[in-house]
Amino acid sequence: NAGVTQTPKFRVLKTGQSMTLLCAQDMNHEYMYWYRQDPGMGLRLIHYSVGEGTTAKGEVPDGYNVSRLKKQNFLLGLESAAPSQTSVYFCASSNPWQVYNSPLHFGNGTRLTVT
Amino acid sequence: RKEVEQDPGPFNVPEGATVAFNCTYSNSASQSFFWYRQDCRKEPKLLMSVYSSGNEDGRFTAQLNRASQYISLLIRDSKLSDSATYLCVVRYNTDKLIFGTGTRLQVFP
Repeated sequence: NAGVTQTPKFRVLKTGQSMTLLCAQDMNHEYMYWYRQDPGMGLRLIHYSVGEGTTAKGEVPDGYNVSRLKKQNFLLGLESAAPSQTSVYFCASSNPWQVYNSPLHFGNGTRLTVT
Repeated sequence: RKEVEQDPGPFNVPEGATVAFNCTYSNSASQSFFWYRQDCRKEPKLLMSVYSSGNEDGRFTAQLNRASQYISLLIRDSKLSDSATYLCVVRYNTDKLIFGTGTRLQVFP
C-alpha cells in the first residue's frame, strides 16, 4: 500500500519556467490537499479538492493552479515560477467519512528551488 | 494574530524528563484537534487526535480546553527518539485544517 506518492522529490527551476507536481493516492480518499512549508511559517494550504472534478482555494493560492481529473490524482501547476515559490510542497489526503477525526495522510514532499 | 499559535522552542530536555507543549487557537468554532510529529526533512505524521475528555497513548497525553481555546501535549519519560517538531492542527470544518508553526523538541542523553 503506497499511500500518498508525490513526484518529483526534488526540482530546480529558473524564474519563469513552468512545472507540474503530481500527487497520487491509493486509499480512495475523497479529499486532497496541497500545502507548502517554509521556515517559521508552518504548513500553509495552497489549494484543495473535496472530490473528483472539484477544486478550491486555500490560504495562499496565487501563482498556482490545480486539477483533479481523477479521484486518485491531484496536480499542482506553477505556470511561471518565481523565487518566492521556493519551498517544500506536501500533498495530503483524507477520508471525509471520518470527518471530525480524520487525519491527513501526507506524501514525502517535493523540494522546489526557483533561481 | 495567527489562527493557531505555538511556542517554536526549541525545548532542550534530558532523557527521562517530562515536557509539555501548549497550542492556542483563535476560532471558537473549531471542531477537532490533532498533534502531528514531523522529523527533519520528512512529512508530518499523525501522533494523536485530541478529545474533549483528554486522551493518553503510552507516554503521550493530550488535553483540550475549549473554554480557554488551548490544546496541550505532555510527553513523559522522554526518549532520544522523541526529538522532532510537534505540530498542533485544528479543523474548522470538513475541509479546512490549520497548522501551527510547530514546537521543536530536542532530547539529549
